[in-house]
Amino acid sequence: EAGVAQSPRYKIIEKRQSVAFWCNPISGHATLYWYQQILGQGPKLLIQFQNNGVVDDSQLPKDRFSAERLKGVDSTLKIQPAKLEDSAVYLCASRDGIEQYFGPGTRLTVT
Amino acid sequence: GNSVTQMEGPVTLSEEAFLTINCTYTATGYPSLFWYVQYPGEGLQLLLKATKADDKGSNKGFEATYRKETTSFHLEKGSVQVSDSAVYFCALILNNAGNMLTFGGGTRLMVKP
Repeated sequence: EAGVAQSPRYKIIEKRQSVAFWCNPISGHATLYWYQQILGQGPKLLIQFQNNGVVDDSQLPKDRFSAERLKGVDSTLKIQPAKLEDSAVYLCASRDGIEQYFGPGTRLTVT
Repeated sequence: GNSVTQMEGPVTLSEEAFLTINCTYTATGYPSLFWYVQYPGEGLQLLLKATKADDKGSNKGFEATYRKETTSFHLEKGSVQVSDSAVYFCALILNNAGNMLTFGGGTRLMVKP
């Protein structure tokens, strides 16, 4: 069974630029999550989708972050404009039962 | 609110030493508890879980027991290997909520040959 796929694996941008990350969850998983993991910390939830609907986006900085899952399968997370403090690993996960399966992450560096 | 507290690392051990990584939690409901492991350059992998009090999760020689009375879920392994070097995250999910994982800050384990 294929795991959660994410791309790109690494991205370096300058502050005030925009960036987008892509995630393809495990086939058949209805629930998808985006987490932000700052270096040396545990992951923090940004947004949770159930199929193509948002379940929880209370921790998403909506002035600069947006996410969509239009067809209820793959998802994109966008940052516009980026700030230095957005440097982190962005993790996508999908859920089966109570277990969440994580992708390899996208490491974003904002300079 | 819900939170998870782990011992700070790094934890440095020699091969075949006994490992304990402490984890305590606070939760407004009845959580399920997890340990995730993150090897260098890789994503998070579920190591073990326990869904109710007194349950013991185990995998790859690692164990953790859900202790409701002390709100703890300490990770243990009797004999660590160099290949166990990684960052370990304790996490919880509330069983009656949207299955949002709350993570601790992570503990880096370094095992020397």
